[in-house]
Amino acid sequence: GDSVTQMEGPVTLSEEAFLTINCTYTATGYPSLFWYVQYPGEGLQLLLKATKADDKGSNKGFEATYRKETTSFHLEKGSVQVSDSAVYFCALSPQNQAGTALIFGKGTTLSVSS
Amino acid sequence: DSGVTQTPKHLITATGQRVTLRCSPRSGDLSVYWYQQSLDQGLQFLIQYYNGEERAKGNILERFSAQQFPDLHSELNLSSLELGDSALYFCASSVGGGGGYEQYFGPGTRLTVT
Repeated sequence: GDSVTQMEGPVTLSEEAFLTINCTYTATGYPSLFWYVQYPGEGLQLLLKATKADDKGSNKGFEATYRKETTSFHLEKGSVQVSDSAVYFCALSPQNQAGTALIFGKGTTLSVSS
Repeated sequence: DSGVTQTPKHLITATGQRVTLRCSPRSGDLSVYWYQQSLDQGLQFLIQYYNGEERAKGNILERFSAQQFPDLHSELNLSSLELGDSALYFCASSVGGGGGYEQYFGPGTRLTVT
């Protein structure tokens, strides 16, 4: 079945460092891909999305490119801030119309220190 | 603020009891999804409703049931509760019922079964 694999955390960085969180997926067809962020004690917030190959999603300095050839959707940010400390989830929405639930990776905890 | 509301925020109950969690979707959204988040299982899809009808089912136990009402709010009923049902329960909504739509998450209900 469809699945998402994220790099294990935690990821610990200093402020202004470069961030990459790896995400790969297994799915038939062309799923939509998402990154969600969960701050402590809160629900999940949609960070960015991409719906077709080579699409780049971006928001708040974060970017991810839908790579069909490597089935990847890695999250990047050029300069992280302490306020970016959170858990990041990669997710996919299958292409078929019947099953529309999001399939999530296990999440990657990011901790940024000043 | 995603526009999705969930009540209650916290719920503490005993084993064997029954509880009801409530969700109101964003204005204009027709789909409601329920997810369970636990440390060992991660984020698991439970069930989806679209415009009052069940659309997709995931790893939902027989002791759990849900419904979506004409005003599009949804309730998740959990019965014969066990210690292992302690988790965060999220509701999400989207405008469409098929794949590819962004899902917007509520703040969650934290259920503790003692």
